[in-house]
Amino acid sequence: GESVGLHLPTLSVQEGDNSIINCAYSNSASDYFIWYKQESGKGPQFIIDIRSNMDKRQGQRVTVLLNKTVKHLSLQIAATQPGDSAVYFCAGEGPGRRALTFGSGTRLQVQP
Amino acid sequence: ETGVTQTPRHLVMGMTNKKSLKCEQHLGHNAMYWYKQSAKKPLELMFVYSLEERVENNSVPSRFSPECPNSSHLFLHLHTLQPEDSALYLCASSPDTGTVSYGYTFGSGTRLTVV
Repeated sequence: GESVGLHLPTLSVQEGDNSIINCAYSNSASDYFIWYKQESGKGPQFIIDIRSNMDKRQGQRVTVLLNKTVKHLSLQIAATQPGDSAVYFCAGEGPGRRALTFGSGTRLQVQP
Repeated sequence: ETGVTQTPRHLVMGMTNKKSLKCEQHLGHNAMYWYKQSAKKPLELMFVYSLEERVENNSVPSRFSPECPNSSHLFLHLHTLQPEDSALYLCASSPDTGTVSYGYTFGSGTRLTVV
């Protein structure tokens, strides 16, 4: 089966710095990954996704990197802002799976 | 609003009560999901519905009973719950299941407390 996990439960950064949140997955057949952001009192919100035929994908201030060799993906947030404070989840989906499998989340705290 | 609406937002119930959680989406999606979110644990998949048919039941106790009367509505009926069932229950929808590339749209969840 698939399992995804995050390396650190909490990440604290200074406003304006870049943030990197890491995630590892176990199923080498996983072919699609998503990063979600969850603010207090809200459900998870889509940030960015990446397919296994890509190594990197960029969005607005966010970049996802996928290293299939070591089964690792990361979310990079440029110029972190107070509004980026939230819990970030990675999720993966493999062939034949009907739903996403989520990691436990990293809480990003942005210090002013 | 994300397009997926969950009610109620908060629910406190006794262990002998019967209550229902409601989820509604008007995104034209064919798949709907229930997830349980407990503190410091990954989101746990509970049920998956595709075109009103339950396609996955992830070993959920029978005290949780889902219902999908149409592709826009999903319910989770609760009865004789335990305190450890207290959690945030999240509903999500997606265009379909079994597709390599799709995204979920989540509701804001129902915070359930069992006393």
